[in-house]
Amino acid sequence: AQSVTQLGSHVSVSEGALVLLRCNYSSSVPPYLFWYVQYPNQGLQLLLKYTTGATLVKGINGFEAEFKKSETSFHLTKPSAHMSDAAEYFCAVNFGAGGFKTIFGAGTRLFVKA
Amino acid sequence: GAVVSQHPSRVICKSGTSVKIECRSLDFQATTMFWYRQFPKKSLMLMATSNEGSKATYEQGVEKDKFLINHASLTLSTLTVTSAHPEDSSFYICSAASETGQETQYFGPGTRLLVL
Repeated sequence: AQSVTQLGSHVSVSEGALVLLRCNYSSSVPPYLFWYVQYPNQGLQLLLKYTTGATLVKGINGFEAEFKKSETSFHLTKPSAHMSDAAEYFCAVNFGAGGFKTIFGAGTRLFVKA
Repeated sequence: GAVVSQHPSRVICKSGTSVKIECRSLDFQATTMFWYRQFPKKSLMLMATSNEGSKATYEQGVEKDKFLINHASLTLSTLTVTSAHPEDSSFYICSAASETGQETQYFGPGTRLLVL
């Protein structure tokens, strides 16, 4: 069955430290991959996406993610965390079938300590 | 570009009443719109997929007679919660995908529904 797993429901980093949020998917074919951020009481904002081409994808707010087919992963990173990065992050996959239905991971809450 | 709005942003209603939530794509035509429900500290749960001019496709376990979805135009979809009850209280989020980039969904800001 197709699925997406985010390792760690909570991640805490110090301001200025590296941010690493993990995402793995289960599929026999490479999917489209997304990272979204959600601030409290708001909708989801697209951070970045991978569809085809270069496997290292740069997004907004200094985030980037790398699609590794051999590891079925799409981890999100940012070299230096900022207080404003504190939010909920969702990894999502879309297998291009069934009306382009998107499957979301459970989410990872990022805490940034001063 | 790719802005999606929702109205209202929050609504409080009495049990037994119906509530309509609008989802609009402001700067693109959305052939497909999605409705999600999000419980506190949880991920998004897809309720239904709606395509312009056709009936919505509901996910398993979602009551289509309770959650009426209409996608009347390429820029507007509505979700009506009929005979709302306190257990329907939740955060409802819509998203839209354009014809040219169906794999990417753009999300509205969400609607907080509280049923008393």
